[in-house]
Amino acid sequence: GDSVTQMEGPVTLSEEACLTINCTYTATGYPSLFWYVQYPGEGLQLLLKATKADDKGSNKGFEATYRKETTSFHLEKGSVQVSDSAVYFCALSDDNNDMRFGAGTRLTVKP
Amino acid sequence: NAGVTQTPKFRVLKTGQSMTLLCAQDMNHEYMYWYRQDPGMGLRLIHYSVGEGTTAKGEVPDGYNVSRLKKQNFLLGLESAAPSQTSVYFCASSYVRLAGLLSYEQYFGPGTRLTVT
Repeated sequence: GDSVTQMEGPVTLSEEACLTINCTYTATGYPSLFWYVQYPGEGLQLLLKATKADDKGSNKGFEATYRKETTSFHLEKGSVQVSDSAVYFCALSDDNNDMRFGAGTRLTVKP
Repeated sequence: NAGVTQTPKFRVLKTGQSMTLLCAQDMNHEYMYWYRQDPGMGLRLIHYSVGEGTTAKGEVPDGYNVSRLKKQNFLLGLESAAPSQTSVYFCASSYVRLAGLLSYEQYFGPGTRLTVT
């Protein structure tokens, strides 16, 4: 079945460092891809999404590009802030009844 | 708009006790979902509903039951709680995906932390 594999954490960075969290997927069709963020004590919030190959999703300085040839959707940010500390989940949906999530990557940004 | 709300926020149960978790959404979404979140395992789908009066099993349905009597509410029941059901439970909702259209994102509640001793 469809699945998502994302980089294990935790990831600890200093403020203003560059961030990359790797995500690869396996799917039989042409899924939509998502990054969700979970701040401490809260539910998941959509960070960005891409619905077809070569689409780039972006939000709050984060970006991810839907790469069909490498089945990847890596999350990137050029300069992280302390407020970016959270758990990040990569997910795919080939059918809206069936969203598959990665295990999550915890990011801690230190001042 | 309150979005997706969950009741209660925290609960401690003893093995064998029962309880119901309530999820409510005010966005008129057709689809609703229950997930559990365990360390290192991401979110796993327990049950979902594609509309009022309908429910279906997800990836890990055993030990849980659900009901969707009203469009805005989705209830998750544990008839006889077990320590393996200690987890954080999230409810989510989304718009209906019409044939040929793109998938929509899901909107999540704040979660219920359940401990079974």
